[in-house]
Amino acid sequence: EVQLVESGGGLIQPGGSLRLSCAASKFTFSSYWMHWVRQAPGEGLVWVSNINGDGSKIYYADSVKGRFTISRDNAKNTLYLQMNSLRAEDSALYYCVRGGTWDWGQGTLVTVSS
Amino acid sequence: QSVLTQPPSASGTPGQRVTISCSGSRPNIGNNPVNWYRQLPGTAPKLLIYSNNQWPSGVPDRFSGSKSGTSASLAISGLQSEDEADYYCAAWDDSLNGYVFGTGTKVTVL
Repeated sequence: EVQLVESGGGLIQPGGSLRLSCAASKFTFSSYWMHWVRQAPGEGLVWVSNINGDGSKIYYADSVKGRFTISRDNAKNTLYLQMNSLRAEDSALYYCVRGGTWDWGQGTLVTVSS
Repeated sequence: QSVLTQPPSASGTPGQRVTISCSGSRPNIGNNPVNWYRQLPGTAPKLLIYSNNQWPSGVPDRFSGSKSGTSASLAISGLQSEDEADYYCAAWDDSLNGYVFGTGTKVTVL
């Protein structure tokens, strides 16, 4: 069974930075597109970014473009999301998702507040 | 705000059939396959239907999807209490170069 375990969330002040990680296991990580999707408390799902298997294709939602950077380390089977210039509206549960089959992790909570 | 519009709520009694609509436009639903996700309270979403009308392994055929033009729909037949959840449609959007989710529909079993 696919395993995706997110980490790195926490409480951060506006303007700060965080790096989220997603440790993937039980599948060939380098063969899959990977996504980050977020969900603010009580709100709907919002796609954030995705990256293809070798990292050569990357897309971002307009709301995070220029502030967030997605990357992956296939040797470590790990997906990352570097989040800079954080805003209150970035507060959400961030899910790591395997593309294609759309398997989801349990999420890591990011709270941006002073 | 989302580019895919769903009704905020839907309801039915056990055994009934409930349908959820998802309205989009040519760059998203018109050009690309639609997935549906179910999110039970307090849990991560789960893929329910992919490529408009295909079932992932383990999903019962009580759930069915369809697409016509720039709209899609999810039907739940034989409604059960455990179907109480939030349901989201989603598709790639060629204009935004991003994946878009619907606004979500909360299904209540009366």
